[in-house]
Amino acid sequence: QSVLTQPPSVSAAPGQKVIISCSGSSSNIGNNYVSWYQHLPGSAPRLLIYDNDKRPSGIPDRFSGSKSGTSATLAITGLQTGDEADYFCASWDSSLSAAMFGGGTKLTAL
Amino acid sequence: QVQLQESGPGLMKPSETLSLTCTVSGGSISTYFWIWIRQPAGKGLEFIGRVHTSGNTNYSPSFKGRVSMSVDSSKNQFSLKLTSVTAADSAIYYCARCLRSYDSFSRYSYYFDSWGQGTLVTVSS
Repeated sequence: QSVLTQPPSVSAAPGQKVIISCSGSSSNIGNNYVSWYQHLPGSAPRLLIYDNDKRPSGIPDRFSGSKSGTSATLAITGLQTGDEADYFCASWDSSLSAAMFGGGTKLTAL
Repeated sequence: QVQLQESGPGLMKPSETLSLTCTVSGGSISTYFWIWIRQPAGKGLEFIGRVHTSGNTNYSPSFKGRVSMSVDSSKNQFSLKLTSVTAADSAIYYCARCLRSYDSFSRYSYYFDSWGQGTLVTVSS
C-alpha cells in the first residue's frame, strides 16, 4: 500500500478536463514539495510537474499542478487520446527519510 | 536530454546478490544525485536509495543492510547491489536522475527529471 493515495483510475472525454488527486500527510506533502509523472508501460516515466506547480520545459501548459495542505492535484485540460497513461505523484517523506510515491492513476480518454 | 539505460541479470535465484548498472548518456554523471526505484508487479513504486557522484549515499530504511550503491564517473555509470534477494525483490527496477534541494523553511524539493525504461528482475528458484 502506497504512502501517497491516488484514485486507481479516472476518465474523461477528449477535450475535457480531468483532475487527479494525491493525498498524503504532514510528513510528506504537507511539508515538502510534490512532483507528478506520466508513465506509459514499457517506456521511461516523464516528469510533468515539480515543486507543486512548475512545468519543465517542453511540457504543455495543459498540464498543471497545485497543492493545498496534505493533498495535491494534477489537472489536464483539453484531454487528448495521447494522454492515456498512468500518472503518479511523489514527495519526500521527512519521517521515513525516503521518497514516497502514489500508487498511480490510470487515465482513460473515453 | 540525458538518457539512462538499466542493465542487469533478468533472472536470479533466491539468496543471490542483484547487481544492476545504469548507463548515462547525453550528459555528464557528475554533480548530480542518482537514484534507484523499483515497482513489483501490481504494486506502486518504491524508493531504494540515492547516490551522489561524490560517493555520498542515502538508502531507504526498508533496504538498509542489504543495499549498496556506487558511481563510476569514468564510465558515466552508477550501480546498485542488493544482497540476499528473495521472490519479494522481483520487480521492474528503474534508475533516474534526482534533483534535490530544500528551501528556507526546510521543505524538501525532491524530483526525478530523467528516467530509464526499467529492467525486469525475476527471482525464482
